[in-house]
Amino acid sequence: EAQVTQNPRYLITVTGKKLTVTCSQNMNHEYMSWYRQDPGLGLRQIYYSMNVEVTDKGDVPEGYKVSRKEKRNFPLILESPSPNQTSLYFCASSLYGPGTGLAHSNQPQHFGDGTRLSIL
Amino acid sequence: GIQVEQSPPDLILQEGANSTLRCNFSDSVNNLQWFHQNPWGQLINLFYIPSGTKQNGRLSATTVATERYSLLYISSSQTTDSGVYFCAVRDTNAGKSTFGDGTTLTVKP
Repeated sequence: EAQVTQNPRYLITVTGKKLTVTCSQNMNHEYMSWYRQDPGLGLRQIYYSMNVEVTDKGDVPEGYKVSRKEKRNFPLILESPSPNQTSLYFCASSLYGPGTGLAHSNQPQHFGDGTRLSIL
Repeated sequence: GIQVEQSPPDLILQEGANSTLRCNFSDSVNNLQWFHQNPWGQLINLFYIPSGTKQNGRLSATTVATERYSLLYISSSQTTDSGVYFCAVRDTNAGKSTFGDGTTLTVKP
């Protein structure tokens, strides 16, 4: 079954304790992205990756790191979590072919089920 | 970056009523999706519709890319349609993605 898998689904942790949220997709998608959702602020993009070893900042990258060492995985790293990073996080992926261009960008995103992080 | 505005922010309907949700965007896009966020927080993809019209059962969507808006139609609404509906666009470089703030739909029995 084609899917985007996030782990953990729920996590309560404390300020300053490094954590990683994993994201894996089995659809051979080039494009992957992380979002956070906060009440009243909708979903905002944190980082995205057009392909292996290619990552770029979204609208709210502060306090987060990502890596894309292999196509299927795109982990989100919080080096020193703080309470303002308490949120619902989503990972997404889509096809995005090489060479860019409009035709290659016309692909829908597939979302994971979300990860609820609480940082005390 | 691209601005996305959804209207109305909140909508309350009686079961069986029809509704139209709107998504306006500020710049050219070639990638637009409508999502429904269910009570468990999952984002359910309703339509991928960068242009044109699509229908799926009681739901349909139309995007007029040249005029920078998209509409989501829900006919004969049911209580299970309740939730938040989001519009999301990606810029022409297909990297950055922007969501609207959503429309919260409540369907009363």
